[in-house]
Amino acid sequence: GESVGLHLPTLSVQEGDNSIINCAYSNSASDYFIWYKQESGKGPQFIIDIRSNMDKRQGQRVTVLLNKTVKHLSLQIAATQPGDSAVYFCAENAQTGANNLFFGTGTRLTVIP
Amino acid sequence: NAGVTQTPKFQVLKTGQSMTLQCAQDMNHEYMSWYRQDPGMGLRLIHYSVGAGITDQGEVPNGYNVSRSTTEDFPLRLLSAAPSQTSVYFCASRQGRGDNEQFFGPGTRLTVL
Repeated sequence: GESVGLHLPTLSVQEGDNSIINCAYSNSASDYFIWYKQESGKGPQFIIDIRSNMDKRQGQRVTVLLNKTVKHLSLQIAATQPGDSAVYFCAENAQTGANNLFFGTGTRLTVIP
Repeated sequence: NAGVTQTPKFQVLKTGQSMTLQCAQDMNHEYMSWYRQDPGMGLRLIHYSVGAGITDQGEVPNGYNVSRSTTEDFPLRLLSAAPSQTSVYFCASRQGRGDNEQFFGPGTRLTVL
């Protein structure tokens, strides 16, 4: 099956700084990628998605970048706030069968006030 | 809309006991799935359903059964609990096979002694 991995398991940033969370994927056939945020004791929450025909997509304070050449995905959070502290997961679609999502192991982001 | 709901929130079982984790969604989503989340391993797909009456296995189906008699409900059954099934279980739903947002429930924390 597909594998989705993260370069860094933990990330600490100062409040107000920008955060960058990285993700590598292995299935070149995947054409849909999603970032989820999971706060302690809660289920994952959708943040932003991107299709493979795009290189960049922006949301409110978040930007996802996709580099298909090196199969790399990143999530940028601008002006990081304490409420951004959470575990962030990337996921990719399977492109087969029911088009299930495969998740990476997650990066824990800690925002230092 | 309540979204995706799960019960119970916490459960402790003894080895060999059986139980059912409940999941319901009120968004009329066709696609529902069950994941388990273990430390350092991200989310792994157990079973999924693409519609009422249709279920299929995910990455880690052994020891679990599911059924989908209605669009709204997707219970997960542990037939004979084992300590290896100690985990946090998440139910999720999305509109269909297409690339669209997947909504997660709050999770059930299960401990098997």
